[in-house]
Amino acid sequence: NAGVTQTPKFRVLKTGQSMTLLCAQDMNHEYMYWYRQDPGMGLRLIHYSVGEGTTAKGEVPDGYNVSRLKKQNFLLGLESAAPSQTSVYFCASKESLAANEQFFGPGTRLTVL
Amino acid sequence: GEDVEQSLFLSVREGDSSVINCTYTDSSSTYLYWYKQEPGAGLQLLTYIFSNMDMKQDQRLTVLLNKKDKHLSLRIADTQTGDSAIYFCAESWSNYQLIWGAGTKLIIKP
Repeated sequence: NAGVTQTPKFRVLKTGQSMTLLCAQDMNHEYMYWYRQDPGMGLRLIHYSVGEGTTAKGEVPDGYNVSRLKKQNFLLGLESAAPSQTSVYFCASKESLAANEQFFGPGTRLTVL
Repeated sequence: GEDVEQSLFLSVREGDSSVINCTYTDSSSTYLYWYKQEPGAGLQLLTYIFSNMDMKQDQRLTVLLNKKDKHLSLRIADTQTGDSAIYFCAESWSNYQLIWGAGTKLIIKP
């Protein structure tokens, strides 16, 4: 199993550009999450999904949209990138409501100029 | 709101014990977690403790939970260079979400 994979690993955008980050998991997990990690701060939840076709807002959803059309994929979109969105983005998945462990992808480092 | 706090850095000598501390605010948390992040990688679950436990031991790792003081600690015995990483404390906040600390960078001195 590949676990949780993220595409791309690195990206540089100009302010106002759009992009989509792809997260894929091959573990048949129900729950998926998008976090951002900034220096000196804990992980902050952007959006999450509790199953195929569902999405919900997390702590910092503004400026981001998500979709979970297929159970194995969770997409994070930036419609109009801003420098404040420069961060490392992590995707994670969890098997079920009762599961304790979140499995993380390797991260995407995004720079917005 | 709910908050989890950790020191940002800890420096220890190789072979010594490392103790990483964490305080949390939500007394209703069911589980508390320690995750490890190695350089350039995602986070991996290291261990977790159920809120009705005081201690959990797993090989070189010992987790202590003081619910009265809302204090969680992770002790790593015989710290090795491979333990160099950022350690995150997290508490369960709802069925779906965790609240994360900022992470403690463990630096190993030879």
